[in-house]
Parts: sequence; structure tokens; C-alpha cells
Amino acid sequence: SALTQPASVSGSPGQSITISCTGTSSVVVDYNYVSWYQMHPGKAPKLVIYDVFKRPSKISSRFSGAKSGNTASLTISGLQPEDEAVYFCSSYTDTSTLLFGGGTKLTVL
Amino acid sequence: EVTLVESGGDLIQPGGSLTLSCAASGFTFSSNHLSWVRQAPGKGLECVSVSYRDGDIYYSDTVQGRFTVSRDNSNNTVYLQMNSLRVEDTAIYYCAKVGRRSGPLSSWGQGTLVTVSS
Repeated sequence: SALTQPASVSGSPGQSITISCTGTSSVVVDYNYVSWYQMHPGKAPKLVIYDVFKRPSKISSRFSGAKSGNTASLTISGLQPEDEAVYFCSSYTDTSTLLFGGGTKLTVL
Repeated sequence: EVTLVESGGDLIQPGGSLTLSCAASGFTFSSNHLSWVRQAPGKGLECVSVSYRDGDIYYSDTVQGRFTVSRDNSNNTVYLQMNSLRVEDTAIYYCAKVGRRSGPLSSWGQGTLVTVSS
């Protein structure tokens, strides 16, 4: 099984963008354990969404998550320059492992 | 505040061994699962090992039989002993606190670089 993400997305400040994460098997459909992580170069990765749509307490409400069928998505509204980063999705699988997508580079124009 | 600090990364020849450490603070170490996740240059993330709080252990197929994870609950440290290293093990290795067996990885360290090259 695998999780597929677009290689890159871009948006202008203030706009909204959505990053998709599609499972090749039932990993996304059967589990409500999809997470999203933000990675800035040289910094510790940060959890921004877990359990499909839940947001850790210190994460801005501009970040939201959803799931439809075998595709999960991360939406960032009101884009800000500091949102420029690589975003990874992750899902718990039927073999009791944590699987990651290939990552999406977000560019804020 | 949860803090995870990895150390031990180095340049090592193929076939060599290396042990990574991850010192944790800010939470009850013994009550949590700890994972090692790596990112090879230009690649995505891979969870290579998880040390569960109940003693259970997970290894990915790519490191099974070569890597060994252990934890010292008295010193709040988790280790990753890496043997028979291969060029393809070159990566930044991150330590992360796991919220539950199904994830998420709620806190991460900044990583330590392992380079396997002759």
C-alpha cells in the first residue's frame, strides 16, 4: 500500500490551498487515523492535523483536514509566508504500521 | 514542554555500526511509545522502528535484523543500534513521541544525520 501526494502546490498570500493524500488500498478508508506533518528545513517536523480533522492545541485554525473515500486532504486557508514548507500525510495501516506519503512542497508566491 | 534531542549521527563506512540516542523530557517517558523515522536525501519519510510502552517493538522490513531499538526508562532515553549499515541507510533520523499505536507522531526532535559512504 502507498499514500500518494502531489509533488508541489502553490498559492498567494491570503489564498487557500488543498493538498491531497490518496491511499492505494484501504488504508485511508478503513482508518480515521490520518495525520499531517509540516516540515521546515533544519527544523523538527510538526504535527498539524491528526485523526483526519483534529487540530493540536497550538496549531492555527487556518489548518483543516478532511477525508472522502480513500483520499484525505489538508486545507490551509489565509496562506502566510511561514506556511511555505513540505507537508507529509500519514496513515495507520492494516499491518499495524505508520505509512507516510511522499510529501508535498508548498510554495507561497 | 515536550523535548526530544537526537544525537550520534556520523559518517560511517558501509558494513559499519552506529548507535543513535534520543533524550526526552517534558512528559512521562515510560508511559509513551517512541519511534524512529528517517528521511533519505530527496525522499519521503519512513518509520523504521517503534518502541511501545508495553515492550512490544516494530521494525520496518528495510531494517529488520540489522537495527535494534531499546529504551532506558530511568534515563528517559531511547536508542537505535544500527548494524550492517548500507549506503541506502543514509538519512536524517528523527525521534518522535507516538500518541498511541495508531499514531499520530505528536512531537519530534530535530534529527541527526547518518551518512553511510566509503
